[in-house]
Amino acid sequence: DTEVTQTPKHLVMGMTNKKSLKCEQHMGHRAMYWYKQKAKKPPELMFVYSYEKLSINESVPSRFSPECPNSSLLNLHLHALQPEDSALYLCASSSVATNEKLFFGSGTQLSVL
Amino acid sequence: AQSVTQLDSQVPVFEEAPVELRCNYSSSVSVYLFWYVQYPNQGLQLLLKYLSGSTLVESINGFEAEFNKSQTSFHLRKPSVHISDTAEYFCAVSTRRGGFKTIFGAGTRLFVKA
Repeated sequence: DTEVTQTPKHLVMGMTNKKSLKCEQHMGHRAMYWYKQKAKKPPELMFVYSYEKLSINESVPSRFSPECPNSSLLNLHLHALQPEDSALYLCASSSVATNEKLFFGSGTQLSVL
Repeated sequence: AQSVTQLDSQVPVFEEAPVELRCNYSSSVSVYLFWYVQYPNQGLQLLLKYLSGSTLVESINGFEAEFNKSQTSFHLRKPSVHISDTAEYFCAVSTRRGGFKTIFGAGTRLFVKA
């Protein structure tokens, strides 16, 4: 299984809502990532987890809260988002040892109204 | 710090014509180099990578890229493109010294016309 599965594929939320994005992989990867991608732009790194511990936070606003409950799952909790947070949110995973290649999910297209 | 520059934002080309997508990088340490492809409404997929060894790397669908250390380039080429190659292509670098920061270029939109 070489897939990274993200749910939901699409999400529309209001600025007062709380929602969560989910990501799952079963490749035994111990590094997992959240990226944000605006239209016609490259992915921008938000968070990195290594061995279920937060390793990198790229100065992301606190309205985005990541969680890594186990080695296969990665969540992104959303609260009080702004319209400018509308984007494609991509999850990725990789081996920690080799750091050679990222496996991406298909993303969650988020619209904040 | 590392950076990646993709010199063309869009490349239109006719089907069966050759194509080159240009990528230059900057880094003070050794790097891994990658090309990722993104089809509409999908995540990124690895196309090919350079880690070490032979400077010419190939993908299973006919793309190739050559690592040129003196010119700090990693251009992507294909001798004959298909309509299905229409996509966004991202050049990326990550460092050999660990850490998990893959830096992506701005992307090149390859548009193959019939």
